[in-house]
Amino acid sequence: EVQLLESGGGLVQPGGSLRLSCAVSRFIFSSFDLSWVRQAPGKGLEWVSAISGSGGRTFYADSVRGRFTISKDNSKNTVFLQMSSLRAEDTAVYYCARRTSLAAFDIWGQGTMVTVSS
Amino acid sequence: DIQMTQSPSSLSASVGDRVTITCRASQSISNSLNWYQQKPGKAPKLLIYAASSLQGGVPSSFSGSGSGTDFTLTISSLQPEDFATYYCQQSYSTPRTFGQGTKVEMK
Repeated sequence: EVQLLESGGGLVQPGGSLRLSCAVSRFIFSSFDLSWVRQAPGKGLEWVSAISGSGGRTFYADSVRGRFTISKDNSKNTVFLQMSSLRAEDTAVYYCARRTSLAAFDIWGQGTMVTVSS
Repeated sequence: DIQMTQSPSSLSASVGDRVTITCRASQSISNSLNWYQQKPGKAPKLLIYAASSLQGGVPSSFSGSGSGTDFTLTISSLQPEDFATYYCQQSYSTPRTFGQGTKVEMK
């Protein structure tokens, strides 16, 4: 079974940094784009960032551009989201999701909670 | 950015009811529209991709239609496990925007 497993969430102070990881199993890691999608408590879904299968192209939402960096380690089948200058409004469950060739998110991880608070 | 607007924001229905949820894009997105179901505390689940294609394993009671700017998700006969929140998402351009969600509650 194809799986995505996020980790790295936690409590961080405003202005702080955190790195999320998404470990991928059972599919050809380099063949698929991967995205991060977040959901603030009681709110809807917000696409945050994406990285191409090769890792050569990255994309960001305006709300995180310049503060978040997406990357991948093909040797570890893992995607990372480095988050810095965190704000209270970044508080959310962060999901890793696989994007199909038709740009739908067909496989999701279970999510990791990030809380930005003093 | 393309804005996605769902209606209604919530609805109450009974088991066996036919349910229709609408999603409108702020500009034409061809058929680049996906639908997801989310239950409390769980990750979203892909139901429909490319406006009308049923994802594997999804019951045939779910169907999608539309193109351009107006799209519809229909549940032909609501089952107890279908009470959830539903989101549309455009895959036409980046950022991949979602609708605000439609919560389907038990009447």
